[in-house]
Formats: sequence, C-alpha cells, structure tokens
Amino acid sequence: NAGVTQTPKFRVLKTGQSMTLLCAQDMNHEYMYWYRQDPGMGLRLIHYSVGEGTTAKGEVPDGYNVSRLKKQNFLLGLESAAPSQTSVYFCASSYSKPKDQPQHFGDGTRLSIL
Amino acid sequence: AQTVTQSQPEMSVQEAETVTLSCTYDTSESDYYLFWYKQPPSRQMILVIRQEAYKQQNATENRFSVNFQKAAKSFSLKISDSQLGDAAMYFCAYRSAAGATNKLIFGTGTLLAVQP
Repeated sequence: NAGVTQTPKFRVLKTGQSMTLLCAQDMNHEYMYWYRQDPGMGLRLIHYSVGEGTTAKGEVPDGYNVSRLKKQNFLLGLESAAPSQTSVYFCASSYSKPKDQPQHFGDGTRLSIL
Repeated sequence: AQTVTQSQPEMSVQEAETVTLSCTYDTSESDYYLFWYKQPPSRQMILVIRQEAYKQQNATENRFSVNFQKAAKSFSLKISDSQLGDAAMYFCAYRSAAGATNKLIFGTGTLLAVQP
C-alpha cells in the first residue's frame, strides 16, 4: 500500500516563484489536510478538505491556496513564495468516521525559499 | 479554542529505562480524542497511541502507555524498557469529537534521546 504520497520530497525556490505540492492517497479517505512544521512550533494546519470539491482554511492559510478536484488528490499552491514559507510540509488524510481514526501522514516535503 | 502544551522540549533516557513525556491541553469540551505521534529522523509521522476522553481506562500499546487525567487535562506518555529506536520527536495532539473536520491540534513536541 502506498498510503499518502507527497511530491516532491525536496524543493528550493527563489522568492516570488510559484509551485504546487501534490498529495495523493489511495485509502479512499474523505478528509485531507495540509500542515507545515517549523522548529519549536509543532505542526500547524494550513488548509483542509472534507470532500471532493471542498476546501477550508486552517490555522495558517495566508499565502497558500488548495484544490481538491479528485477525492484522492489534494494540491497545495504557493503563488508567490516568501522566505517565511520555508518549512517542512506534511499532507495527511483520514476517514470521516469513526472519529477515533488517526490521520495518516505522507513523508513530508522540505521546501526552502531563498 | 483548544490548545496543547508540551512543556519538555527535550528529554533523555537510558536504554532499558522508563521515561514519561508530559502533555496538557485546554478545552471546554467533554468529548474528544487524544493522540501521541512519533517522528523519527526519517520525518515520518507514526501513530503511537490514542485515547478517547470517555474511556476511563488508560490506553496501552506494548511498551507504550498513557496516564490520562481528564479533570487535570493531562495526557502523559510512558515508554517502558526504552530502546534506541524510540529516539524521536514525540507530538501530543487533540481532536474534538464535535464538528465534521477531524482536525488535529498539535503540541510543540518533545525530542527524546535514548542513551546506550
């Protein structure tokens, strides 16, 4: 089982460039999430989706956009990258029920903005 | 809004000894779920253990157990017979049982070193 796959694993961008991070899951999960992990701050939710065609803002959404055109894919976009967006990005997915089901995480994408 | 606090940025334990990682949370809800995730240097996020607030019995998974004190809003993780492979960052996380998002709120993590 592939589980949750994130593409790419590493990327270096220049300030102002744009890029899209791809998350794909093969577990037929309804819910999908994008987090960023920064030293000393744990994981913070950027955006999430509770179903195909739906998205919502999380705790730190500014500077990011997302789309979920297909149930298995959740894309995170940076339109104009800034050094403050240097981070490790994690995608996760889960079933909607039962509520105690854990989120399954991808292996993360390390993104550096110069 | 709910918050999760891990007050120990770093901990160290000798191999084969027992260590307890602390986690406290703040919520006005009565039904929720708590999780501990392990993040080794490989960066993977691995579920260690989960607890439902309505279950009084503390969860146990092999060498990992929790001490869940609902009134005190405390959810500590005990690792027994520590092994070198337990060295990792450990995150405590909270999920509300209300609503339809299953969002997780994470603490800032505790970095555990295991000394041979």
